[in-house]
Amino acid sequence: GAVVSQHPSRVICKSGTSVKIECRSLDFQATTMFWYRQFPKQSLMLMATSNEGSKATYEQGVEKDKFLINHASLTLSTLTVTSAHPEDSSFYICSARTSGTKTQYFGPGTRLLVL
Amino acid sequence: AQTVTQSQPEMSVQEAETVTLSCTYDTSESDYYLFWYKQPPSRQMILVIRQEAYKQQNATENRFSVNFQKAAKSFSLKISDSQLGDAAMYFCAYRASGNTPLVFGKGTRLSVIA
Repeated sequence: GAVVSQHPSRVICKSGTSVKIECRSLDFQATTMFWYRQFPKQSLMLMATSNEGSKATYEQGVEKDKFLINHASLTLSTLTVTSAHPEDSSFYICSARTSGTKTQYFGPGTRLLVL
Repeated sequence: AQTVTQSQPEMSVQEAETVTLSCTYDTSESDYYLFWYKQPPSRQMILVIRQEAYKQQNATENRFSVNFQKAAKSFSLKISDSQLGDAAMYFCAYRASGNTPLVFGKGTRLSVIA
């Protein structure tokens, strides 16, 4: 199956700093990437959808100036959490799909802890 | 808006037995896809099975099968010969055709008892 990687797997940062999370599709071209957030014992909540070369589409309630998403190539998307605060602590998961295919493949997730 | 409902927060099954996880969804679309994903303690999302709405035949993947009832908007997952490695969170998900994202249910935590 298709492989999606995320880096870093875990990050701890101080409040007020920015954190960048990378998501890569290793063996396929990801025309669309999705970013999800998952709180403990809860389901995945979609944050935004990005198509390669276009601006991301954010879900209602997600601050686009706080969660910057870049999808500059067919194999890489980044999520930058700007001026992170403790309430941003969560598990962030990226997912990718190729246009015309049916299945989304998921990265292993990044655990963010803001102190 | 599409919604996915999993009414069983937790389920348990004896090893080697069969268990069925429930899922219902709401949509006005005629063309869509349904999925079951497994999330073990590692938190890596793993695709278990996929069903296309236009297919009448229920999907099967080894010990995993679905009961897809389109008119009732029901999509249950049956796990046969349960194994200890099946213990995980199971998420039912829906996606309309086209470039649309997955919509997830709240999940069912499955425990397998040795």
